[in-house]
Amino acid sequence: ETGVTQSPTHLIKTRGQQVTLRCSSQSGHNTVSWYQQALGQGPQFIFQYYREEENGRGNFPPRFSGLQFPNYSSELNVNALELDDSALYLCASSFWGGSTDTQYFGPGTRLTVL
Amino acid sequence: GQQLNQSPQSMFIQEGEDVSMNCTSSSIFNTWLWYKQEPGEGPVLLIALYKAGELTSNGRLTAQFGITRKDSFLNISASIPSDVGIYFCAGPRRGADGLTFGKGTHLIIQP
Repeated sequence: ETGVTQSPTHLIKTRGQQVTLRCSSQSGHNTVSWYQQALGQGPQFIFQYYREEENGRGNFPPRFSGLQFPNYSSELNVNALELDDSALYLCASSFWGGSTDTQYFGPGTRLTVL
Repeated sequence: GQQLNQSPQSMFIQEGEDVSMNCTSSSIFNTWLWYKQEPGEGPVLLIALYKAGELTSNGRLTAQFGITRKDSFLNISASIPSDVGIYFCAGPRRGADGLTFGKGTHLIIQP
């Protein structure tokens, strides 16, 4: 069974640029959620994708957007990067129809905005 | 709101000691999850609790779902160096989409 994978591992961007982060869900899972984790904090929910549509969203502006593909993999896009966007971005997968509360996380992408 | 309050914020213990940490909320949760995160890694699921009053073990770890559904406890017995990390409690958001996390309990083991 393959776990959740994310790419890239690390990324450095400058303010105003755009970034795309990628996630492959655990085999057998059909739902992907994205989180932002600032240093010293718990993960904060950005949004969730199920059946290629946004299923729920946390308190993040529209410049945070996403996609889910037919193979259940997902992308997180952030436009007009700000310094405060520097964080660890985590992807988690789960199975809708089972206990969707139980989410399994990938290793994360560390984004630094200069 | 659905804030989760974890305590203590950090723990400095000796190897071999037992550890106890808790998570409380003013809101009711139907699921409690405990994760452990090590530096540079994503959170790893330790224990999932689905029923009020439930007591579940995973090796040296034991977690309980409080009967009021507003709290949960995690205990680690006979701590070892690899237990070092940040322990997070989490529960489902009201929209049943993502998870709400506490701020974590940082466990440090002194040799």
